Amino acid sequence: NAGVTQTPKFRILKIGQSMTLQCTQDMNHNYMYWYRQDPGMGLKLIYYSVGAGITDKGEVPNGYNVSRSTTEDFPLRLELAAPSQTSVYFCASRRTGDLLEQYFGPGTRLTVT
Amino acid sequence: AQSVTQPDIHITVSEGASLELRCNYSYGATPYLFWYVQSPGQGLQLLLKYFSGDTLVQGIKGFEAEFKRSQSSFNLRKPSVHWSDAAEYFCAVGVDGNKLVFGAGTILRVKS
Repeated sequence: NAGVTQTPKFRILKIGQSMTLQCTQDMNHNYMYWYRQDPGMGLKLIYYSVGAGITDKGEVPNGYNVSRSTTEDFPLRLELAAPSQTSVYFCASRRTGDLLEQYFGPGTRLTVT
Repeated sequence: AQSVTQPDIHITVSEGASLELRCNYSYGATPYLFWYVQSPGQGLQLLLKYFSGDTLVQGIKGFEAEFKRSQSSFNLRKPSVHWSDAAEYFCAVGVDGNKLVFGAGTILRVKS
């Protein structure tokens, strides 16, 4: 049981490039989340999903897209990367009815230059 | 709007001393409250949670937190800090039945 895994661990992008951050969980959790963490700002919710085929915006969705074709995977797509997207990105998941307790992946550190 | 405030950005304590990290929340209904810890370069790990009932909750690693509705607070405590407790600590409140709102975090440094 690997929990929540994220790839890559680190990535440097040039302005205007695109990339997909991968997130996979093997706990059969319905709910999955993407956050970004900036120094002194805590975690901000980008997108979340309540099940395969269902996604919704969080607090800071601009510049990102998501899809959820399977229960296990919840990739985050960055189109036209900008320096403001330099951050650490965390994926999390939880069970339905688990009263909001979320399990986090190890994070992806992204730098856009 | 729901929010979480952690007034202390950094706290330094000596090893063996007691610790209290402050957390205040703004939420209209009965809150679901959480404390998470993040070690350097790692993801977040749940320390403890409060949903209802006893207002003093016990967590992992010897941590506890007390929910005080009158003060809208959920402070984290530990009677004796170990060097391995150095990390960043986040308080969070559950909102809309399926999301968490996090505070900005408190960085704990432990002096030997």
